[in-house]
Amino acid sequence: EVQLLESGGGLVQPGGSLRLSCVVSGFTLSSYAVTWVRQAPGKGLDWVSVITGDGLTYYADSVKGRFAISRDNSKNTLFLQMNSLRAEDTAVYYCAKSASVGATHFDYWGQGTLVTVSS
Amino acid sequence: DIQMTQSPSALSASVGDRVTITCRASQSISRWLAWYQQKPGKAPKLLIYDASSLESGVPSRFSGSGSGTEFTLTISSLQPDDFATYYCQQYNSYGYTFGQGTKLEI
Repeated sequence: EVQLLESGGGLVQPGGSLRLSCVVSGFTLSSYAVTWVRQAPGKGLDWVSVITGDGLTYYADSVKGRFAISRDNSKNTLFLQMNSLRAEDTAVYYCAKSASVGATHFDYWGQGTLVTVSS
Repeated sequence: DIQMTQSPSALSASVGDRVTITCRASQSISRWLAWYQQKPGKAPKLLIYDASSLESGVPSRFSGSGSGTEFTLTISSLQPDDFATYYCQQYNSYGYTFGQGTKLEI
C-alpha cells in the first residue's frame, strides 16, 4: 500500500528556516517523481517543487532560491528545506507521488503538515 | 507559466443534478490535465487524469473531456458525498499549475 507521511511543520519567525520530511512506503522514490504542493488557509492548491525519478529538480518562481528539494532513497524520505521564510509561505504542505518518473498527475497524497510563518 | 482558469468559482446544486465544471489553459496542454476532489481538512483525491481517464475506484458518474485548452469535468448525478471543492491541474510542463478551484455546494 502506498503511503506518504509528512512531518516537520510548525511555527517559525519570518526569515527563519524549516525542513519538512515526507516518509514514503509502498513504492521506490527513485522510480517516481514526488512533488510538494501547498495550500494557504482558505486558498487553493499551489505547486512548490518536484524531484523527478531521475533526480532532476524544479521550483515555482515564488520559492526559487529559498527552498531546496532533496531525497534520501535509502531512508525512503523526501525533504523540503525552506529558508528565508515569509508570511506568505504559511500553508499546509503536502507531498504527492506522481504516477510516473516524470511530469504527470498525482495519484497519492500525504495528509499534509502545517507551516506557520509569524512573529 | 501556463495559467489555468476554472469556472464557475462556486456552484450550488442539488442531489441528482448533472453539473459541469470548465477549466481553460492559457496555452495548449494537449490532454495533460487532471481533476481532483478535496474535502475540508483532507488531501486532494485524484478523479480524472489525461483529461478523460477515470482513476481506479472513482465512481463512473465522474467523467472528463477536452483537449488543447478547454476541458470539462462532469458529474452525471450528484450524490451527497460529491459536495466538495474541485481543482484542475496541468502537467504539460513543470510548473504543474492548478486552477483556482470550484466549490460545489448544496
